[in-house]
Amino acid sequence: DAGVTQSPTHLIKTRGQQVTLRCSPKSGHDTVSWYQQALGQGPQFIFQYYEEEERQRGNFPDRFSGHQFPNYSSELNVNALLLGDSALYLCASSRTSADTQYFGPGTRLTVL
Amino acid sequence: AQSVTQPDIHITVSEGASLELRCNYSYGATPYLFWYVQSPGQGLQLLLKYFSGDTLVQGIKGFEAEFKRSQSSFNLRKPSVHWSDAAEYFCAVDANDYKLSFGAGTTVTVRA
Repeated sequence: DAGVTQSPTHLIKTRGQQVTLRCSPKSGHDTVSWYQQALGQGPQFIFQYYEEEERQRGNFPDRFSGHQFPNYSSELNVNALLLGDSALYLCASSRTSADTQYFGPGTRLTVL
Repeated sequence: AQSVTQPDIHITVSEGASLELRCNYSYGATPYLFWYVQSPGQGLQLLLKYFSGDTLVQGIKGFEAEFKRSQSSFNLRKPSVHWSDAAEYFCAVDANDYKLSFGAGTTVTVRA
């Protein structure tokens, strides 16, 4: 049984560019949450998707947007990248929005 | 304000010695409680969770945690540490709002 998968593993962008990160949930999971983990800090909640809609959102600007597809996979988009967006982006999936979240390996984004 | 506190930034322990990591939370009601472990450059792995019932929870890799309502604490313990336990440990809470709030993490170093 494959766990949560994320792509790409690493990504380097320059300021002002746009980036798309992808996540496939564990089999049987229908809810996807995204977190940003800056170096030396704990993960911060960005948003959660359930039934293709954003259910909950953390304290992140509108530059951060997402999408969930009918097969429950998800994308995180970040526009107008800033140096401060450099971080490990983690995707987590769960059977429902209230169930235990299981994390993928993350995508390391570096903004130059 | 709701918060999760891990008072110890860094702990060094000898192999074979016991380990205890502290976690305190500040929420209006008893949240769901979790401990995750993160190896360098990796995603988060769930060690154990507390939803209700028995306040002593057993997890993977020989870890256990005890929920103490009166102290708003959820401390993680392991009787005998192995070199492979060197990692960063995160306490997290779900205050029934579909998102995880994490502490800043505790880095564990294991010396031979």
